[in-house]
Amino acid sequence: DGGITQSPKYLFRKEGQNVTLSCEQNLNHDAMYWYRQDPGQGLRLIYYSQIVNDFQKGDIAEGYSVSREKKESFPLTVTSAQKNPTAFYLCASSPLTGGSNQPQHFGDGTRLSIL
Amino acid sequence: GNSVTQMEGPVTLSEEAFLTINCTYTATGYPSLFWYVQYPGEGLQLLLKATKADDKGSNKGFEATYRKETTSFHLEKGSVQVSDSAVYFCALYSGGSNYKLTFGKGTLLTVNP
Repeated sequence: DGGITQSPKYLFRKEGQNVTLSCEQNLNHDAMYWYRQDPGQGLRLIYYSQIVNDFQKGDIAEGYSVSREKKESFPLTVTSAQKNPTAFYLCASSPLTGGSNQPQHFGDGTRLSIL
Repeated sequence: GNSVTQMEGPVTLSEEAFLTINCTYTATGYPSLFWYVQYPGEGLQLLLKATKADDKGSNKGFEATYRKETTSFHLEKGSVQVSDSAVYFCALYSGGSNYKLTFGKGTLLTVNP
C-alpha cells in the first residue's frame, strides 16, 4: 500500500542537540511538506519542497533545516537553535498536477519532547 | 492573507446527536476547501472536499457545502458515533505555485455512548 512513513513515532532531545525526523513516501508525489502541530494552534508550515534539491521556507522555518536529495525522502532536522521544539511534527505529500483536486496526504507524525 | 476560522471546542455530544462544526474563511479568488480528521495519536486524513461554490462534499455520513456568499464550509453529520471522536480541521487552498494549505486551529469532538 502506498503511503507516508514517519519515524520514529516518539523522539527525545537533550538540550543543545540536533535531531532528525524521517519522512519517506512511496506515492510518487512531487511535493512534500513539514508541519508543526501545537495544542490549540492547528498546523503551521515549516518547510516545503516541490522538486528534488529545492525547498522553500514556510511560516516558521527558524531553527529547522531540511534536505530533498531523493523524491521519496524529506528529512527534517530540528536544530539546537529551535528553542521550543516540543511538538507533534507531521509530514505530508501531494502531486503537483491536478491542482486543487489533489489534497495533501499525511503521515502519522513524530512526537518530539525535550529531556 | 488567507485564514480559516473554526468554532472553538471542545464539542461534547451523545451518540446519535446531530453535529455541526462551523468553518468560515478569508481568501482571495476561489479557494478549494477541505475537512481533515485526526484520530488520537495519528496524522490527518482527508474527510471531504469541495472545489467550487455550491459543491457539497460528503464522506462517511459527514457533509459540508461550499457557500461563497457566506464564505463558509460547515461540517455536519446527522447522527454521530463514539468512533467519530477526533479533532477536525478545516483547510483551504487558494491556488498559486506553492500548493500551500491554510488550516484552522482544529475542533476536538468527543462523543459519549
